[in-house]
Amino acid sequence: AQSVTQLDSQVPVFEEAPVELRCNYSSSVSVYLFWYVQYPNQGLQLLLKYLSGSTLVKGINGFEAEFNKSQTSFHLRKPSVHISDTAEYFCAVTTNRDDKIIFGKGTRLHILP
Amino acid sequence: DAGITQSPRHKVTETGTPVTLRCHQTENHRYMYWYRQDPGHGLRLIHYSYGVKDTDKGEVSDGYSVSRSKTEDFLLTLESATSSQTSVYFCASLDSGPPDTQYFGPGTRLTVL
Repeated sequence: AQSVTQLDSQVPVFEEAPVELRCNYSSSVSVYLFWYVQYPNQGLQLLLKYLSGSTLVKGINGFEAEFNKSQTSFHLRKPSVHISDTAEYFCAVTTNRDDKIIFGKGTRLHILP
Repeated sequence: DAGITQSPRHKVTETGTPVTLRCHQTENHRYMYWYRQDPGHGLRLIHYSYGVKDTDKGEVSDGYSVSRSKTEDFLLTLESATSSQTSVYFCASLDSGPPDTQYFGPGTRLTVL
């Protein structure tokens, strides 16, 4: 069965600084990978997803992620964060043999003024 | 945004009582999912549905049942609520199947006393 591990439960970063949120996955078959964002008191919404092809995926709000098969990682990055990026970020995985979509435990991004 | 609503949005109940949460979508999506969100655990899949009357278990299905008699509605029932089921419950839907994007509802906060 597939799984994802988000290595940091909380990440503090100064406003306008770059950020990387880490995600590692485990699967015996090819995967599809996602990053979702949850703003305070809201449901989740898709930031970006990797299906195939180019390993660098660009998403909404200036975020991007890179799929690295050899390191089984899908880290999320943003070159310059804003206070509005304060949220919890979830990595998720599924495969072409499964209808289940499995989420990580989430990373809280704290933007410091 | 996909039209997904959840009802009720907040509920307080007592241990041992049955509880039903409703998820309603207007997008004619085939797949629907129920997750629970708890601090330190992220989102965990309870049950999902891949069509009317077609459902399957997720990671944490014990104590929960589901039903889907219409495409637009997916019900989650706690047969006899326990304090460990205090959580925020999210419903999601997606169109044809993974890796389509999941669209999430606003959540239901359930407190079991």
